[in-house]
Amino acid sequence: EAAVTQSPRSKVAVTGGKVTLSCHQTNNHDYMYWYRQDTGHGLRLIHYSYVADSTEKGDIPDGYKASRPSQENFSLILELASLSQTAVYFCASSDWGEYTQYFGPGTRLLVL
Amino acid sequence: GDSVTQTEGQVALSEEDFLTIHCNYSASGYPTLFWYVQYPGEGPQLLFRASRDKEKGSSRGFEATYDKGTTSFHLRKASVQESDSAVYYCALSGITGNTGKLIFGLGTTLQVQP
Repeated sequence: EAAVTQSPRSKVAVTGGKVTLSCHQTNNHDYMYWYRQDTGHGLRLIHYSYVADSTEKGDIPDGYKASRPSQENFSLILELASLSQTAVYFCASSDWGEYTQYFGPGTRLLVL
Repeated sequence: GDSVTQTEGQVALSEEDFLTIHCNYSASGYPTLFWYVQYPGEGPQLLFRASRDKEKGSSRGFEATYDKGTTSFHLRKASVQESDSAVYYCALSGITGNTGKLIFGLGTTLQVQP
């Protein structure tokens, strides 16, 4: 069974503060992804990575950075959190050449 | 660009009703099509997928058939249960380059009353 974990599971942040969301996978997958979920927008891709030490911009990268220090770990960084970044964030992983993505349980972020 | 359209934003049914959630896609070539289900407080999980024209995917009583002619992958279940209440996402694999990206529809919230 695929295993993707996220931490923290929920967080309250202040506007202008720095937020780091972490993701860890034990699937030995090459690809990792960060999505945000908002009512009315479904799942939108923020950043993704297909190899350690390299990240790519997704569809809505503005205001976010990503870091992939190892195959297992992928972080999403909000350098200056804003109210509009309140959302639920999901991490996912997939194997090279295999499109099925396995999702973590999500992190609920509230920016005040 | 590639896209997925789910017609229904919300569906309300009673137990044992028949379910249809419509999914149409726009993509060149032959994308792989997916249905994901998301229960409250959890991440989306794969329900099933299909990769070829006329291929039927199925799981837990749900099914959908890949139809390249009508560019559709409609989700159906003959008799829903209260436990099927969830958000359902149709998705397709990005076919421009081997990025592994998925393109999701906006999701359909299914509420089943006992």
